Amino acid sequence: TQLLEQSPQFLSIQEGENLTVYCNSSSVFSSLQWYRQEPGEGPVLLVTVVTGGEVKKLKRLTFQFGDARKDSSLHITAAQPGDTGLYLCAGWGYQKVTFGTGTKLQVIP
Amino acid sequence: EAGVVQSPRYKIIEKKQPVAFWCNPISGHNTLYWYLQNLGQGPELLIRYENEEAVDDSQLPKDRFSAERLKGVDSTLKIQPAELGDSAVYLCASSLRTGSNTEAFFGQGTRLTVV
Repeated sequence: TQLLEQSPQFLSIQEGENLTVYCNSSSVFSSLQWYRQEPGEGPVLLVTVVTGGEVKKLKRLTFQFGDARKDSSLHITAAQPGDTGLYLCAGWGYQKVTFGTGTKLQVIP
Repeated sequence: EAGVVQSPRYKIIEKKQPVAFWCNPISGHNTLYWYLQNLGQGPELLIRYENEEAVDDSQLPKDRFSAERLKGVDSTLKIQPAELGDSAVYLCASSLRTGSNTEAFFGQGTRLTVV
């Protein structure tokens, strides 16, 4: 069974601060995705990274896939209240996707 | 274009009663997933369909859970009998195909409360 551990589990920060969420595993993944989920809604895909060491930027969000394709990070610059939600990483391997344990982010105005 | 539609949005039942959830995926999506999500945690796969075939049901508790996807389109997930520990959000998702780089589109989920 492939496990994806996210840290921190909870994060409460002030608007304008920076933060990083980590997604770690002992397994190698062919690709890794990040989703954001708002209360009462399903997860929505933010990005997919497929190459070890790959870095993708989406406005204030920066995603990195580890060189060994076992871990990933999500960095948010100058967080805004609209960034509030549950962030989920999801790793693809052997035709299966495994979701991480989740990081609940609250950005206080 | 309509997204993944699930119904009902909320369901409250007494333990030992049966319950069913319905999912209409995005048109043309061959792959359909049912997930269970506990509050603040990541979704856990229950079953994955490729068209009408269940290709991964290894995590489905088959003693009480069943699912079907007639004609490879809509799907239903049933629990009989429900237990207190089944209280969770049940998410349905669909994608064009299976594999890395595939984007899954999720419905809003059905929040089940077993009392």
